[in-house]
Amino acid sequence: AQSVAQPEDQVNVAEGNPLTVKCTYSVSGNPYLFWYVQYPNRGLQFLLKYITGDNLVKGSYGFEAEFNKSQTSFHLKKPSALVSDSALYFCAVRDHMNYGGSQGNLIFGKGTKLSVKP
Amino acid sequence: NAGVTQTPKFQVLKTGQSMTLQCAQDMNHEYMSWYRQDPGMGLRLIHYSVGAGITDQGEVPNGYNVSRSTTEDFPLRLLSAAPSQTSVYFCASSYSKGYGYTFGSGTRLTVV
Repeated sequence: AQSVAQPEDQVNVAEGNPLTVKCTYSVSGNPYLFWYVQYPNRGLQFLLKYITGDNLVKGSYGFEAEFNKSQTSFHLKKPSALVSDSALYFCAVRDHMNYGGSQGNLIFGKGTKLSVKP
Repeated sequence: NAGVTQTPKFQVLKTGQSMTLQCAQDMNHEYMSWYRQDPGMGLRLIHYSVGAGITDQGEVPNGYNVSRSTTEDFPLRLLSAAPSQTSVYFCASSYSKGYGYTFGSGTRLTVV
C-alpha cells in the first residue's frame, strides 16, 4: 500500500539554525514527491517537488529537499530558519507508475508543525 | 488569476441538513479532488475527478456525493450532515499527473 510518514508531529528550531522536517514514503514504482506548507487558516501552498533528476531539489522560500531512494526518504531542509517559516508542513507522494489505479492522486502525510522561535 | 475558488468559507449546519460546497478553477485543469483535513490525520481524499463526466471515490467517500459536469466546477454535496463531518474541506486541481496540486483556501464546516 502506498503511504507517506512524517515521524515528527512538531519540530522546534531557533531562528537562524538549520531545520529539517522528515518524510519517508512507501510506493510501488518510482515516486513523485512533494512538499506543501500551510499557514494558519490558509490552504496548502506548493513548496517543491521531485520527479526525476538531481536528488537535491530547490524550492520556494529557500527550502530544499533531498531525495534518497535507498532510504525512501524526502526530507525538507533549510539552512537558516526564519520565524515566518512557522507553519504546518505536509509531505505527499504521487505514484506515477500506478496511474490506472490511483489516477495520480496525492497521498499526504499527517503533517509536521514547525515552530521557529526568535 | 483566481486559481481555485471555494465557497463558502465558513458554514454551520444542523445534523441532517444537506448542502453543497462549491469549487471552481480557471486553469483548465483536468484533475480535481476534494480532501478533508482533521487534526492529527492530515488530509484524506474524499472524491476525485480526472475530467468532465468522470468521478471516483477516494479514501473517505461515505456521506458525500460529487459530479463533474464541466471542467471548471467540482461541487461536493453533503447528503445528510453528521457531526463527524465537521472538518475543513479543501478542493484541489492539477494539470496532469506529475504536477502538484493547486489548493483552494478551504471551507470550515461545523455540524451541530
